Amino acid sequence: AQSVTQLDSQVPVFEEAPVELRCNYSSSVSVYLFWYVQYPNQGLQLLLKYLSGSTLVKGINGFEAEFNKSQTSFHLRKPSVHISDTAEYFCAVSETGGFKTIFGAGTRLFVKA
Amino acid sequence: DTGVSQDPRHKITKRGQNVTFRCDPISEHNRLYWYRQTLGQGPEFLTYFQNEAQLEKSRLLSDRFSAERPKGSFSTLEIQRTEQGDSAMYLCASSLSAGDTQYFGPGTRLTVL
Repeated sequence: AQSVTQLDSQVPVFEEAPVELRCNYSSSVSVYLFWYVQYPNQGLQLLLKYLSGSTLVKGINGFEAEFNKSQTSFHLRKPSVHISDTAEYFCAVSETGGFKTIFGAGTRLFVKA
Repeated sequence: DTGVSQDPRHKITKRGQNVTFRCDPISEHNRLYWYRQTLGQGPEFLTYFQNEAQLEKSRLLSDRFSAERPKGSFSTLEIQRTEQGDSAMYLCASSLSAGDTQYFGPGTRLTVL
């Protein structure tokens, strides 16, 4: 079985500062990894995903994440955040070729002016 | 492509009543998922359909819950004899294949009084 731990429940950061949202996973098999974003009163939207290949994955809105198999991590980064990035971010994992996706508890990113 | 739609968006019901939610996936997607999300948590997997076949049900899905996807298109999730603990956001998602992006609907927020 897989599990996901998002190490920070809330991350406050000033506008234009860099940010890293941390995610660790546990699995005995190879996995797919995802980051989703949920803006207030909106549905979840995929930011980026790792299926295979390059461990550095670029997504929408300037976000990127790096898959680190040895540390079982998939941290999300952005070099310069905007007020509009304020949202809840969810890391998720599924078995390669599987269908059941396990989500972390979420990290609330709050960007301050 | 109008995205995943869910109906209703909000449902308030009294304890003991039955409720039914509908999900219309993206038309060419043969995979459909139901999740439940409570405040401060990530989505929890409930069940999964590939075409009309329900291939997996979470232990979270008690006997009071039933889901169908009769023609491999829209899906319904019914909760019988609702309890206050059923209050949550019920999310539907669809995808083309394993590892493919899951597209989420806006959710149905259920409040059981």
